[in-house]
Parts: sequence; C-alpha cells; structure tokens
Amino acid sequence: AQSVTQLGSHVSVSEGALVLLRCNYSSSVPPYLFWYVQYPNQGLQLLLKYTSAATLVKGINGFEAEFKKSETSFHLTKPSAHMSDAAEYFCAVSVTSRIGNEKLTFGTGTRLTIIP
Amino acid sequence: KAGVTQTPRYLIKTRGQQVTLSCSPISGHRSVSWYQQTPGQGLQFLFEYFSETQRNKGNFPGRFSGRQFSNSRSEMNVSTLELGDSALYLCASSLGGTGVWEQYFGPGTRLTVT
Repeated sequence: AQSVTQLGSHVSVSEGALVLLRCNYSSSVPPYLFWYVQYPNQGLQLLLKYTSAATLVKGINGFEAEFKKSETSFHLTKPSAHMSDAAEYFCAVSVTSRIGNEKLTFGTGTRLTIIP
Repeated sequence: KAGVTQTPRYLIKTRGQQVTLSCSPISGHRSVSWYQQTPGQGLQFLFEYFSETQRNKGNFPGRFSGRQFSNSRSEMNVSTLELGDSALYLCASSLGGTGVWEQYFGPGTRLTVT
C-alpha cells in the first residue's frame, strides 16, 4: 500500500524567504504525487502533480516540486514566501490499477505560517 | 466551468439521526470521490463512484454509504450518527476512466453531531 509522510506539522517562514515543505512517499509501484493547498473553510486546491514525466514540476502560485526516486521524496518549494501563502498544505499519493483512478492517500498536512 | 458544488455547507445533527450530503461534479466529470477530514485522523478516503458504480472503497463502517446518479451527481449518507462523525466531508470530481486524473475538490460540508 502507498503512503506519504509530511515532516513538520507546522512551518513558519518570513515573508520573502524560501518555503520548503517536505514529503516522503512509500509505494511499491511508480507513484503519482500531488500537492494540494487548503485555505481556511475551503476545499482543497491542486498546486501541482507528478505523473512520471519531468521530475521537476512547476505549479500554480510560484510553487514547484522535485521528484527524487532515490530519496523517495517530493518536496514542495517556493523561492519567496508571500503572506497569501499562509495555508495548510497536503501531499498525496495515488497509483493506477486496472480499474483506473485509485484513491488519493494524503499526508497529515503542514500548516504554513508567514511572518511579516 | 462551474466547480464542484456541495450542499449543504453546514449541518448540525443529533446522535442517532441520519444525514444525506450532496455533491455536483464539474460538468463532464464522471468520477466522484468522498473524503472525511477531521483534526485527529486527517483526510481519509471514503469511496469513489464512476458511472453509477462504486469503484473503490475506504475503511469505513457500513453506516457510510453513497450512490451516484446518471448525471454523475452523488450523494453520501451516514446513518445512526455518532459524535465521531463530526467532520468536514469533501467531495472531489475527476474525468475518470483508466489512469490517474486530477481530482477537483468542492468546498465541503461541515457536519456537527451533538
């Protein structure tokens, strides 16, 4: 079975500083990996996805993530934090099967706080 | 295109009652998945429907059930509510079919059981 581990339930960075949110996955087959963001009282919004094409994936709002098979990691980064980035971020993994789209398995989330 | 809509947004029920939540997917999407989000357990997969058939199921008791209609709209039902069922219930839709498709989430229904 696949799983993801997010290191750090809370991360604080200063406005303008680098954002690094960590995600490690476990999967016996090639995984598909996703990062979602959730703002208060809202659903989840897809930031980016890895589906076995380029290992460096660019997403919305200036975020990107790099798939590293040797480290089983898919860390999310943004060069310069903005106040509007304050939210909860979820890493998720999915695998395909003959029946099609498998369920998303989510990490426990990382709450990002931006310090003015 | 309109996004995923969920109704109602907020719901308060009493223990022992039952509840039905509704989800309307993005037009053209045939797959609908349901997730439960709680502070203690995080985001957990409930089930997925594709073309009116349950295709995938999580580890929840039989009190949790769902269905999908021919227009892809989906409902989720929880019977004999327990305090622990208080959660944000999220619905997500995708194109479906074989392969892995992006899932688009609705705003959720916040259920409070008293």
